[in-house]
Amino acid sequence: EVQLVESGGGLVQPGGSLRLSCVASGFTFSNYEMNWVRQAPGKGLEWVSYITSSGSPIYYADSVKGRFTISRDNAKHSLYLQMNSLRADDTAVYYCARKTPGTSWFDPWGQGTLVTVSS
Amino acid sequence: QSVLTQPPSVSGAPGQRVTISCTGSSSNIGAGYSVHYDVHWYQQLPGTAPKLLIYGNSNRPSGVPDRFSGSKSGTSASLAITGLQAEDEADYYCQSYDSSLSAWVFGGGTKLTVL
Repeated sequence: EVQLVESGGGLVQPGGSLRLSCVASGFTFSNYEMNWVRQAPGKGLEWVSYITSSGSPIYYADSVKGRFTISRDNAKHSLYLQMNSLRADDTAVYYCARKTPGTSWFDPWGQGTLVTVSS
Repeated sequence: QSVLTQPPSVSGAPGQRVTISCTGSSSNIGAGYSVHYDVHWYQQLPGTAPKLLIYGNSNRPSGVPDRFSGSKSGTSASLAITGLQAEDEADYYCQSYDSSLSAWVFGGGTKLTVL
């Protein structure tokens, strides 16, 4: 079964840092591009970041550029999101989502991990 | 404000047909015939992660009932649901790629209520 499991969310103060992880199973992780997508409480979906199967190139939404860093470890079947200089408006459920090369949709998605930025 | 525009809510009685629109622009849905500008739809049941419902404008992944269908024309796309069932009550999101933003973009979401 194809599965993505996120972890690392929690409560952090404004200006703080957090590192999210996403562990993949049930497929050859190194063959797929990966993304982070977030959803603020009661709001819609917002694409955050993308990484190719090899780790480069990498793209970010303008809202997180310069503060967030996406990375992956294919040997560990894992995707990461290092989040620095966190702000209240970064509060959201963060989902990792797989993307097949040559396509433009996201499937599947993990269950998400909640990040709350508050003092 | 989302790059792709969806109605905030739609509703219908069991058995009825509803449609959800997704309006974009020449930098996303209407940008051309590349796969990048295809429209995809996701269903998000309450308290769960989004699930791919329609990909490539009109294709259904395995396991998605044929009551769900998608179409695209010009700078817009639509999701149609026929034979509405109580279990269809969820939020629905459209998604494409925007060349001006160099970003994947979503609609604001549409809440479907089955009366």
